[in-house]
Amino acid sequence: GAGVSQTPSNKVTEKGKYVELRCDPISGHTALYWYRQSLGQGPEFLIYFQGTGAADDSGLPNDRFFAVRPEGSVSTLKIQRTERGDSAVYLCASTPTSRGEQFFGPGTRLTVL
Amino acid sequence: DAKTTQPNSMESNEEEPVHLPCNHSTISGTDYIHWYRQLPSQGPEYVIHGLTSNVNNRMASLAIAEDRKSSTLILHRATLRDAAVYYCILRSGAGSYQLTFGKGTKLSVIP
Repeated sequence: GAGVSQTPSNKVTEKGKYVELRCDPISGHTALYWYRQSLGQGPEFLIYFQGTGAADDSGLPNDRFFAVRPEGSVSTLKIQRTERGDSAVYLCASTPTSRGEQFFGPGTRLTVL
Repeated sequence: DAKTTQPNSMESNEEEPVHLPCNHSTISGTDYIHWYRQLPSQGPEYVIHGLTSNVNNRMASLAIAEDRKSSTLILHRATLRDAAVYYCILRSGAGSYQLTFGKGTKLSVIP
């Protein structure tokens, strides 16, 4: 079956712009996670959704970052007033239950010029 | 989440077994030991996990020390496709179940 998909695969933007990154989880998976991976580092947790609600957003670095999952399926990560330090690969993962293995998408590479 | 320590890099010859070590001396009783790997330009991929007993699946085996302060991921016959960064992660049995990644071990497989 289809895995986790993320769009776009690459996004180049200018400092100060707004961006949206989309994640389509595996159908039926109730839990969804966002991570961010900087060059040479392991992924870093950002936010976790159980259904439509954000159950844990403790990893969001500041209030420029926001994520939604209005219907409990697709999720969008939104970054306002982008900064060069936001450049990274943004990864999404889904699981059928919170405790299950996480299935990752290929990521969106964000470059802020 | 408790911290893990892994070597930065390892090398293996193709078709030979590989033992990837992980130290987690501050593991708590409810922490599961998870292994993920990340191939170049891809998202991480689940490999295996365990709590106390050794575990086997089609990809690998996980050997857990009796005191649970260390574990070893075993790839029985390394292939070129196994070249990746391998992450050892302690995942709490409660809470948000997020994964806390370190830098992992970069495994190179020599033909």
